[in-house]
Amino acid sequence: EVQLVESGGVVVQPGGSLRLSCAASGFTFDNFAMHWVRQAPGKGLEWVSLITRDGSITYYADSVKGRFTISRDNSRNSLFLQMNSLRAEDTAFYYCAKTRGTYYLDYFDYWGQGTLVTVSS
Amino acid sequence: EIVLTQSPGTLSLSPGERASLSCRASQSVTSSYLAWYRQKPGQAPRLLISGASNRATGIPDRFSGSGSGTDFTLTISTLEPEDFAVYYCQQYGSSPATFGQGTKVEIK
Repeated sequence: EVQLVESGGVVVQPGGSLRLSCAASGFTFDNFAMHWVRQAPGKGLEWVSLITRDGSITYYADSVKGRFTISRDNSRNSLFLQMNSLRAEDTAFYYCAKTRGTYYLDYFDYWGQGTLVTVSS
Repeated sequence: EIVLTQSPGTLSLSPGERASLSCRASQSVTSSYLAWYRQKPGQAPRLLISGASNRATGIPDRFSGSGSGTDFTLTISTLEPEDFAVYYCQQYGSSPATFGQGTKVEIK
């Protein structure tokens, strides 16, 4: 059974940093690109970042470019999101999501349950 | 980037009725790479449809998708209680992948 379990969401002050993790199981992790998608409370879905299977290519939404860094550790079946210079507008549930196929641009067949990041003083 | 506009914003229907949700793209979606997700309150989104019309594993046949180019539709033939939720379309044919703003299907 595919499982994605996010962790690391907390309350952080504006300008602070945070690292989110996503533990994957039930599939061959290094065969699939992985993504982060966020959702502000009561709002819609916003794609944040992606990383290819081997970690060699990453992409970011303009809203987080230069502040967030996505990475992965295939030996530990884990995905990460390093978030720096956090702003109030980064407050959201952050989901990790698995692509269906091996190509990085694809739909998401599995999602984690999400972890809440709150940026507030 | 491709902007997806979903309509209506909210659909008020009764159980057993038919729902029709629209997703319109600002430019043609490559190869009909359009997916639909359902999100129940407090839960993560769940894949319903990919490739505009292909039901995901385990999705009942009351859900159907259609369309191509810039206009896509998700139809729920007979609403069940668990279908009252928010629905999102997503295009994954052009980078970055983008989502529509969602349509809420609520009980009338």
